[in-house]
Amino acid sequence: QVQLKESGPGLVAPSQSLSITCTVSGFSLTDYGVSWIRQPPGKGLEWLGVIWGGGSTYYNSALKSRLSISKDNSKSQVFLKMNSLQTDDTAMYYCAKHDGAPYYFDYWGQGTTLTVSS
Amino acid sequence: QIVLTQSPAIMSASLGERVTMTCTASSSVSSSYLHWYQQKPGSSPKLWIYSTSNLASGVPARFSGSGSGTSYSLTISSMEAEDAATYYCHQYHRSFTFGSGTKLEIK
Repeated sequence: QVQLKESGPGLVAPSQSLSITCTVSGFSLTDYGVSWIRQPPGKGLEWLGVIWGGGSTYYNSALKSRLSISKDNSKSQVFLKMNSLQTDDTAMYYCAKHDGAPYYFDYWGQGTTLTVSS
Repeated sequence: QIVLTQSPAIMSASLGERVTMTCTASSSVSSSYLHWYQQKPGSSPKLWIYSTSNLASGVPARFSGSGSGTSYSLTISSMEAEDAATYYCHQYHRSFTFGSGTKLEIK
């Protein structure tokens, strides 16, 4: 069955960089896109960016300069990197699988919590 | 990018009551690309309704979705306790955005 699982550092100091990994199973990263979405505590969902099956990427314009998404198809892993972290980057970070042209997210990971604090 | 505004932000309903929440887009969205998710505390969002009116697998038939252009809605024909959750609309038009959510509580 389809599964996605995020893993990350948990705690990062302000101004530092973040790297989170999404490990997927049950589908091929060459066939489907994967997005990153975050949710600050008690707040709503914010889309960060997507990497499509062919490897092209697209980012939230407000965060584009700080984000990088890549993947390793052979390891079924998608990577999110974000630099210049601030306290308002504290959030739950999710990866989610797209289901083709309507582009909805049909499967989500459990999320990984990131706290930005000194 | 398209902004999605959900209303109300918070609502409460009695068991058995009909519930409707709305999602208004700042520009026209294709109905194929407007979706809804349900999220309960401590859990990841779940796909609930896709392409405006199609129920995701396992979603009870008391849920329905409708709309077009800039105005969309999610309706529960008869509120049940398990429906208490936050519902988010989501669209794709050159980029992806989410609405700010409607929190549905039991009265």
